[in-house]
Amino acid sequence: DAMVIQNPRYQVTQFGKPVTLSCSQTLNHNVMYWYQQKSSQAPKLLFHYYDKDFNNEADTPDNFQSRRPNTSFCFLDIRSPGLGDAAMYLCATSTYQGNEQYFGPGTRLTVT
Amino acid sequence: GEDVEQSLFLSVREGDSSVINCTYTDSSSTYLYWYKQEPGAGLQLLTYIFSNMDMKQDQRLTVLLNKKDKHLSLRIADTQTGDSAIYFCAEPSASGGSYIPTFGRGTSLIVHP
Repeated sequence: DAMVIQNPRYQVTQFGKPVTLSCSQTLNHNVMYWYQQKSSQAPKLLFHYYDKDFNNEADTPDNFQSRRPNTSFCFLDIRSPGLGDAAMYLCATSTYQGNEQYFGPGTRLTVT
Repeated sequence: GEDVEQSLFLSVREGDSSVINCTYTDSSSTYLYWYKQEPGAGLQLLTYIFSNMDMKQDQRLTVLLNKKDKHLSLRIADTQTGDSAIYFCAEPSASGGSYIPTFGRGTSLIVHP
């Protein structure tokens, strides 16, 4: 089945230790998104790619970076995680910007 | 930015109807979405409605759209315990030449026997 896959599902990292979250899709969608979701809050968009065109939200901290080496894969790098970065990170795809999104199961990041 | 507002909690008895409400601000949205999020999972598209429609029905789900008031609602008939989840309203909002989905904070639906 076509899907959005995120690895790992649970990630524990130490304060200040770089961490990378990965996302892959078999839907061949043009757009990939990274969201941060904290408890009882709306998903907050960090970045999105339309093909290779990278779009950074204005309020995304510099501590967060992203890479999309090909259509299928997208990575979220957190250079120096702080306690406030503990959250669920959701990857999503869509055929075009604004179309319905398909979400992965998320990666729960814990910072110790 | 554009805002999408939802009430945070709704509690219903099993078998009753649930109505989840949402207000939005971007009147240019072509369609609006409802997503469902179960505990520990990603969001799943539940249904959507085109902005030129007033109502859409899909089995137990009914979506009503009032464009004049910028009000969207999701009605779930015969609510079951498996419907317990967080429901997000979303609209694509124009942002720097792109259309980016903007989500509400989500409504936690609690279904009790």
